[in-house]
Amino acid sequence: EAQVTQNPRYLITVTGKKLTVTCSQNMNHEYMSWYRQDPGLGLRQIYYSMNVEVTDKGDVPEGYKVSRKEKRNFPLILESPSPNQTSLYFCASSSPGNTIYFGEGSWLTVV
Amino acid sequence: GENVEQHPSTLSVQEGDSAVIKCTYSDSASNYFPWYKQELGKGPQLIIDIRSNVGEKKDQRIAVTLNKTAKHFSLHITETQPEDSAVYFCAASTYSSASKIIFGSGTRLSIRP
Repeated sequence: EAQVTQNPRYLITVTGKKLTVTCSQNMNHEYMSWYRQDPGLGLRQIYYSMNVEVTDKGDVPEGYKVSRKEKRNFPLILESPSPNQTSLYFCASSSPGNTIYFGEGSWLTVV
Repeated sequence: GENVEQHPSTLSVQEGDSAVIKCTYSDSASNYFPWYKQELGKGPQLIIDIRSNVGEKKDQRIAVTLNKTAKHFSLHITETQPEDSAVYFCAASTYSSASKIIFGSGTRLSIRP
């Protein structure tokens, strides 16, 4: 079954404590992206990757890092989380010109 | 910069009636327009998409229309049912660059019994 799997699904953390949200896809997709979803703002792209070792900033990259060492994985790293990074995060993958598949989402609260 | 505007932000319709959600985009190079449905607690899922060489596409109760000249596209749901209640997102991109896609702000559709 085609899947984008992200973990954890729910996390409460404290300001400044580094955390990583993992993302894995089983469809051999070249493209992977991270989005955050906030009320009234829709889905905003944080970072994207067009292939292994190729990443680029999206619309709201500040405070985030990513890496793409393997085709299937695209972790999102918050080096020093702050309360304004409290949000619902989605990982997504696709191949060029085709449907984008989203993960189930990760609810992150930074206190 | 590139922008996609979506209206309305909330929509309530009687079961069995039709629902229409409208989007406009700013980048004239956009040529791929997907629509996503997001149910509570889940990630967005593609429900229908249209490419710029087509003016209309239909899939059972769902249809999408595209007006490239006016840079707007719309989602039409006919004979609405309770399971249509969800948040709907439109989006625009150049389909050769699916990694760079701009989403609308979403429409929360509620179906009244």
